[in-house]
Amino acid sequence: ETGVTQTPRHLVMGMTNKKSLKCEQHLGHNAMYWYKQSAKKPLELMFVYSLEERVENNSVPSRFSPECPNSSHLFLHLHTLQPEDSALYLCASSRETGGVDEQYFGPGTRLTVT
Amino acid sequence: AQSVAQPEDQVNVAEGNPLTVKCTYSVSGNPYLFWYVQYPNRGLQFLLKYITGDNLVKGSYGFEAEFNKSQTSFHLKKPSALVSDSALYFCAVRVYNAGNNRKLIWGLGTSLAVNP
Repeated sequence: ETGVTQTPRHLVMGMTNKKSLKCEQHLGHNAMYWYKQSAKKPLELMFVYSLEERVENNSVPSRFSPECPNSSHLFLHLHTLQPEDSALYLCASSRETGGVDEQYFGPGTRLTVT
Repeated sequence: AQSVAQPEDQVNVAEGNPLTVKCTYSVSGNPYLFWYVQYPNRGLQFLLKYITGDNLVKGSYGFEAEFNKSQTSFHLKKPSALVSDSALYFCAVRVYNAGNNRKLIWGLGTSLAVNP
């Protein structure tokens, strides 16, 4: 349960605010991911980092900006968000990005954009 | 198109009865399949995966899943359900995207309710 932590757990922000989500993994993994989870939609992969290098960006709007300063930390910087960006944002990690290894998820940040 | 489907939004089962949560997939090449569970206000937790080998895969909390290549299915099962198994269950399959990168695509989830 404490392998992947996320802060804050809840965030309410206006459309003109700037905020950041933080994720930290204590599992020694090389890959980290940001997902968006919305009701009635499949889990959406946003970004993938492998050894601190971004290896995938799934057409995410530029108002979302990821940062991976080292293999244990991942940030998602938010600015000028839209109400439709309200969702649960999940961070995950895995040993590698090849798709064979299971991913370990944090508890998520519930984001509400007003 | 590569996809994964969970045909049931909700499954209800009485405690002590066997449960099945269904998953079907469509991928090119050999499928790598996963099941995850999400409890309220929590992230997803890995349950089990099929990569190769025996078609019956055993995982956490007494769950198992059967890979059926001819039916392109990977149904999750448990012989005797517990009230604490009530949660949201996700099936996922590894695919290659247009850039030949490997990633998981996810089903919409099935809500399991185990009644006492």
